Amino acid sequence: KNQVEQSPQSLIILEGKNCTLQCNYTVSPFSNLRWYKQDTGRGPVSLTIMTFSENTKSNGRYTATLDADTKQSSLHITASQLSDSASYICVVSNFGNEKLTFGTGTRLTIIP
Amino acid sequence: KAGVTQTPRYLIKTRGQQVTLSCSPISGHRSVSWYQQTPGQGLQFLFEYFSETQRNKGNFPGRFSGRQFSNSRSEMNVSTLELGDSALYLCASSSKSFGLAKSEETQYFGPGTRLLVL
Repeated sequence: KNQVEQSPQSLIILEGKNCTLQCNYTVSPFSNLRWYKQDTGRGPVSLTIMTFSENTKSNGRYTATLDADTKQSSLHITASQLSDSASYICVVSNFGNEKLTFGTGTRLTIIP
Repeated sequence: KAGVTQTPRYLIKTRGQQVTLSCSPISGHRSVSWYQQTPGQGLQFLFEYFSETQRNKGNFPGRFSGRQFSNSRSEMNVSTLELGDSALYLCASSSKSFGLAKSEETQYFGPGTRLLVL
């Protein structure tokens, strides 16, 4: 069964600190992995998309890594800001039918 | 370029009623997907449409249906509403084209329709 698990479920850090969110998946065959940021009351916004051959992809202060062998991904946030407070969702796509499997997200709270 | 729009933004219905939600994708996008989001289950895929045809379907009962029009606008319908259907319904569009090797086009989400079933 295709599954995407994210950890931690929630995280609270001080403004300015770095943090790393984890995503483990069992989706096979693999097509791509996406990280989304979802602010409260809004739709998700894409941060990064990585295919099998990509190990790292950055979007400003967000850096995603992918290890297709161990089926793990991480999202690293550098120098966190209050606006980073949101849910971060990991999504993995099946090769072929392009079905998406969503993680339940990590709720990140940045405190001043 | 205007983003994905969804109407209505909020809706209150009672059990047994039916509801129709609307989604207008970004201009030029032909792929539209629908998702249900609840606090306990997270985001769950409902279905995906491309060129007026349903291409993928999630694991939802037949009470959930959708369609796409020639202008790529999409509607989803839920019949015989249940309390558990209360959720945020999100629509996403992308420039993805079926049949091409490249399939990682970014999805752009709308603000969602929050449905409350009483």
